[in-house]
Amino acid sequence: DSGVTQTPKHLITATGQRVTLRCSPRSGDLSVYWYQQSLDQGLQFLIQYYNGEERAKGNILERFSAQQFPDLHSELNLSSLELGDSALYFCASSVASVGSGNTIYFGEGSWLTVV
Amino acid sequence: GIQVEQSPPDLILQEGANSTLRCNFSDSVNNLQWFHQNPWGQLINLFYIPSGTKQNGRLSATTVATERYSLLYISSSQTTDSGVYFCAAEGATDSWGKFQFGAGTQVVVTP
Repeated sequence: DSGVTQTPKHLITATGQRVTLRCSPRSGDLSVYWYQQSLDQGLQFLIQYYNGEERAKGNILERFSAQQFPDLHSELNLSSLELGDSALYFCASSVASVGSGNTIYFGEGSWLTVV
Repeated sequence: GIQVEQSPPDLILQEGANSTLRCNFSDSVNNLQWFHQNPWGQLINLFYIPSGTKQNGRLSATTVATERYSLLYISSSQTTDSGVYFCAAEGATDSWGKFQFGAGTQVVVTP
């Protein structure tokens, strides 16, 4: 158990719908990352938050958005869903402090199927 | 951004065999990690190794930062070692926290 909690574990929804994925980082971790894993794209970095602020952005679509709340949990919102958005969405967290390295730990992922 | 390449893409091993997986990266790194994704999709952290050598049981890893590669060694492989092994790097010139994953090495260990 990595200590990173993601909900829901599985989600099936229709095209055009909107879903929210939730992540609770490990206790003490200030950084949260979101990744998308699909068969054809591999593991893609979407976005990182550090202590509530957006820190780094990757290949995140405009239909997707994320935020990190004061209690450090994070949510990834996916809207106007398309069949191609079907993927495993991972959240990861790290302490991310200078001098400690930046070891990232992954949650178990949220399987999203768009039908 | 940094590019990460892993080889070989696939590996079939008989139980008890040893193997070496390679990760090449295109730039200096602040951070490099190895992960194992098991058949259930879980990503397990194996090593944080931006440089040097580490060992954990039957697994060990070496990163030669000056030559921009890292190696993961699996010794006396077991069927539970099956899965996909990923290398992920945070480039020195990339945004802090932006990890780039390689395409992975699919390992199948047969009894």
